[in-house]
Parts: sequence; C-alpha cells; structure tokens
Amino acid sequence: DAGVTQSPTHLIKTRGQQVTLRCSPISGHKSVSWYQQVLGQGPQFIFQYYEKEERGRGNFPDRFSARQFPNYSSELNVNALLLGDSALYLCASSLAGSAYGYTFGSGTRLTVV
Amino acid sequence: GESVGLHLPTLSVQEGDNSIINCAYSNSASDYFIWYKQESGKGPQFIIDIRSNMDKRQGQRVTVLLNKTVKHLSLQIAATQPGDSAVYFCAERNSGGYQKVTFGTGTKLQVIP
Repeated sequence: DAGVTQSPTHLIKTRGQQVTLRCSPISGHKSVSWYQQVLGQGPQFIFQYYEKEERGRGNFPDRFSARQFPNYSSELNVNALLLGDSALYLCASSLAGSAYGYTFGSGTRLTVV
Repeated sequence: GESVGLHLPTLSVQEGDNSIINCAYSNSASDYFIWYKQESGKGPQFIIDIRSNMDKRQGQRVTVLLNKTVKHLSLQIAATQPGDSAVYFCAERNSGGYQKVTFGTGTKLQVIP
C-alpha cells in the first residue's frame, strides 16, 4: 500500500512568488493536516481538513491557504513567499477527523531565495 | 536527505546501551502524549503514545514514562541499535474539538557503533 505521497520533493522559489504543494493521503483516509518544519525545529501545525472542510488552522498568516478535493487529496498554497517560508512542509493523513493514527509523508523541501 | 537535527540537543549512546530521551510539556489538557522518530529526509514516524491517565506504557524495546506532577515525559530505548539514530520529538495531542498534534523540541540520538 502506498503511504502518504507529497509532491514535489524539492522546490526553489523566489521571494514574492506563489507555490502550490500537493498531498495524496493513504487510501481510505479522509483527513489531511499540513505542518511546517523549519530546520532544527519541530513541525508546526498549519491546517487540518476533513471531508473537504477546514477543521482547524494554526497561527499562520492569510498568505497560507489550503483545500481538499473530493478524492481527499489536498493542496497547500503559499502566496507572496518570504525567505522565512523556507522549510519542510509535511502532510499527515488519518482515517477520521482526529490526530490519532497520523501518518506523515516525507515532505516537500521549499527553499525561498 | 537534508538533516533536521541541526542545533538540536544531542544524545550520544554506545550501541547496545539503553537510551533515555527527556521532554518537558506545557499543556495539561492534552489527552495523549506521543513520541515520534524522524530520520533524515523523512517525515516523523509514530513510535509510541501514552494516555494522560497513565504513567507508563511499554512497546517493543521502548518505554514511555509520564510524570504529570512535573509535566515530564521520557522515552527509554533498550539495547540501542544504529538504526535508532534519528531525531526524536515528543508531542501532545489535544482533547476535544478538532485534534492536532503539537510537537516539542527534538533530541538528536547518535548511536556509536
């Protein structure tokens, strides 16, 4: 069985640009959560989606947005990129709208120059 | 893969010895405490969790201890192996509402062969 897949694996963008990151959850999982992990720190919660609805949002600016599709895959969008947005972006999926049984993908490494 | 262990506290352990990784948490309302292992280039991997009304839980080669009086969590790894080398994060899962995982500061475990 495929795990949580994220694309692309690496990305380099320029300040001010916009980026879209993609996540496919484990088959049967209906909830997707996004985390940002700055180098040397623990992951920070950005969003949780369940059944295509936003269930929760962390302390991130409105430049960050996300959505979940009918097949439960998800996209994270970041507008007006700043150097400080450079990080590993992780997606986690779970069966229901809970954080129990989170399975993380390997992430997308975003570098903003 | 790129390391997530830069600037993290590091614990160096001889292969075959036991490892103890400690963590202080802040949110008394959390219903579960979790340990994750993160290898270079990968997302966090669930190791073991403990419910807030317990003080000890054992898994395969791992034991988690919870001391709610001093808000302290520890992970014990028996007979540490080279494959245990990674960054370990303690985390909390909140109760009620939508659930998310809040990660603490990581500890880098280096196993010396």
